[in-house]
Amino acid sequence: GESVGLHLPTLSVQEGDNSIINCAYSNSASDYFIWYKQESGKGPQFIIDIRSNMDKRQGQRVTVLLNKTVKHLSLQIAATQPGDSAVYFCAEGSSASKIIFGSGTRLSIRP
Amino acid sequence: KAGVTQTPRYLIKTRGQQVTLSCSPISGHRSVSWYQQTPGQGLQFLFEYFSETQRNKGNFPGRFSGRQFSNSRSEMNVSTLELGDSALYLCASTTDYPGADTQYFGPGTRLTVL
Repeated sequence: GESVGLHLPTLSVQEGDNSIINCAYSNSASDYFIWYKQESGKGPQFIIDIRSNMDKRQGQRVTVLLNKTVKHLSLQIAATQPGDSAVYFCAEGSSASKIIFGSGTRLSIRP
Repeated sequence: KAGVTQTPRYLIKTRGQQVTLSCSPISGHRSVSWYQQTPGQGLQFLFEYFSETQRNKGNFPGRFSGRQFSNSRSEMNVSTLELGDSALYLCASTTDYPGADTQYFGPGTRLTVL
């Protein structure tokens, strides 16, 4: 069946460095991809999304890259800050369907 | 606009009891989805409601049910609670289809079953 997975369950990054969180998906029919951030005790918070007709989208300090050839999605966070510590989920969806979430990657920041 | 709100935020119940959780979506959003989040299983889809109708359902037993009202507010009910039902229950809303547009999440209801 369809699945969305993450390459690494945990990621430790030095404060100020860039973070890259990866995600693989298997449903080639998915045309909408989202990254969420979940801090402890809170619900997931929308970060950025990308449609399948794009391969890159930038937000404030974040960039999402989509490689449809290898069904790979990544989230890049520039100049990682302590406030970026959280669990990051990727998710995939398509028109008239439910959304499928990955298992999450925990990002920790070293001072 | 106000975000998605969920009540109560915390709940403690005992095995065999039932519980009702409430979710108010963002104004104008007609789709409401419910998820169960546990450390071991991650985010698992329960069901989705749109215009008072259940449109999608996940793989949960019949003890889990829900409904949506004409103002798009939604409730979920869990009957005959089991220890394994302890989890964070999240509600998310979107304008139309969850897979086609951004879902916004509420803060969740932390349910503990003793």
